[in-house]
Amino acid sequence: GNSVTQMEGPVTLSEEAFLTINCTYTATGYPSLFWYVQYPGEGLQLLLKATKADDKGSNKGFEATYRKETTSFHLEKGSVQVSDSAVYFCALSDRRTGANNLFFGTGTRLTVIP
Amino acid sequence: GAVVSQHPSRVICKSGTSVKIECRSLDFQATTMFWYRQFPKKSLMLMATSNEGSKATYEQGVEKDKFLINHASLTLSTLTVTSAHPEDSSFYICSARDEGGLVAFFGQGTRLTVV
Repeated sequence: GNSVTQMEGPVTLSEEAFLTINCTYTATGYPSLFWYVQYPGEGLQLLLKATKADDKGSNKGFEATYRKETTSFHLEKGSVQVSDSAVYFCALSDRRTGANNLFFGTGTRLTVIP
Repeated sequence: GAVVSQHPSRVICKSGTSVKIECRSLDFQATTMFWYRQFPKKSLMLMATSNEGSKATYEQGVEKDKFLINHASLTLSTLTVTSAHPEDSSFYICSARDEGGLVAFFGQGTRLTVV
């Protein structure tokens, strides 16, 4: 079946530190992979996506590369800011199997301190 | 990008009453919308898939008579929590896919508190 496993956290970093949040997946078909971010009190916002192997999604300084060989989609940012404090969700969608919904990881709470 | 609006953002209701949550796609037509529930410090759990003009598809373990879903138009889906109880208190989020079908856009979420 389809599932996503991500680093649980919480993660606390100082401003300008390097961020990695690990995400691995299992899928029966050919998934598209996503990172969503949830700021306090808000719904989810798409952060970045990748639709096929070796694609790199990037946005707001965040990057993730779709690695089919390791079934991973780790999120990275070179220098985090206080405003990046949020919960980050890795997700997959596998339309070829007819599963049009998103499968989410458990989310990782990031807190960036000044 | 596409916008999905969810209303209300917060609601407090008495035990035994019903609450309706609306989810609208503002600038695109959504034949399919999804309703999720998020428990504290947990991930999102898909509750049901809402299909315009037909019955919703519920995930295993979700009571369809308790969580009524209506998708009467291409831009509006509603979730009604009937006879709410304190254990229904949660954060409910809807999403809709854009017309390309790849990206899901989420509403702002509704924090339901049943007292």
